[in-house]
Amino acid sequence: DTEVTQTPKHLVMGMTNKKSLKCEQHMGHRAMYWYKQKAKKPPELMFVYSYEKLSINESVPSRFSPECPNSSLLNLHLHALQPEDSALYLCASSQEWGNSYTFGSGTRLTVV
Amino acid sequence: KNQVEQSPQSLIILEGKNCTLQCNYTVSPFSNLRWYKQDTGRGPVSLTIMTFSENTKSNGRYTATLDADTKQSSLHITASQLSDSASYICVVSAIYGGSQGNLIFGKGTKLSVKP
Repeated sequence: DTEVTQTPKHLVMGMTNKKSLKCEQHMGHRAMYWYKQKAKKPPELMFVYSYEKLSINESVPSRFSPECPNSSLLNLHLHALQPEDSALYLCASSQEWGNSYTFGSGTRLTVV
Repeated sequence: KNQVEQSPQSLIILEGKNCTLQCNYTVSPFSNLRWYKQDTGRGPVSLTIMTFSENTKSNGRYTATLDADTKQSSLHITASQLSDSASYICVVSAIYGGSQGNLIFGKGTKLSVKP
């Protein structure tokens, strides 16, 4: 298995909803990442987990809450989002922090 | 400041033609350089990864070059196909993470292949 799997592929949520994005990899990678990508812009790093510990939190609003239950799973919990949070959310993993990254297909999030 | 700049911003070519995309970077200390293909609304897919000592790497119709002295890379696409229409992103990895982690993304070149 050489893939990073993200679910759901599309998500529409209201500003009062609570939802979660999921990311899974079975490549034995020990670093996992969340990126946010707006249209026609490069991805922006949100969080980095290395060996299941949060290593980087790029001053992301608290309405985004990451969780790494184990080395294969990464979640992003969403609560009280704003319409401007609508974007493509990408998960990635690498064997170690800084090695070759594998990206998931992304979750297209729309906040209404 | 670590930066990656790509040119052109967008490119339209006819099916079957070749094209070359450029990437200039100021990233230090340099670890590696990757080219990704990203379809609209999808995650980036790795095409090539090159380290300091590698000058050329091919992946099918894609050939990447790296000049570590001038800090330039190019991606050459041969015999383009309609399915090559996508954004091509140059990503440079620094050895040490900074405010962006250690991946610095270019803004991409949007390639459109027309029949």
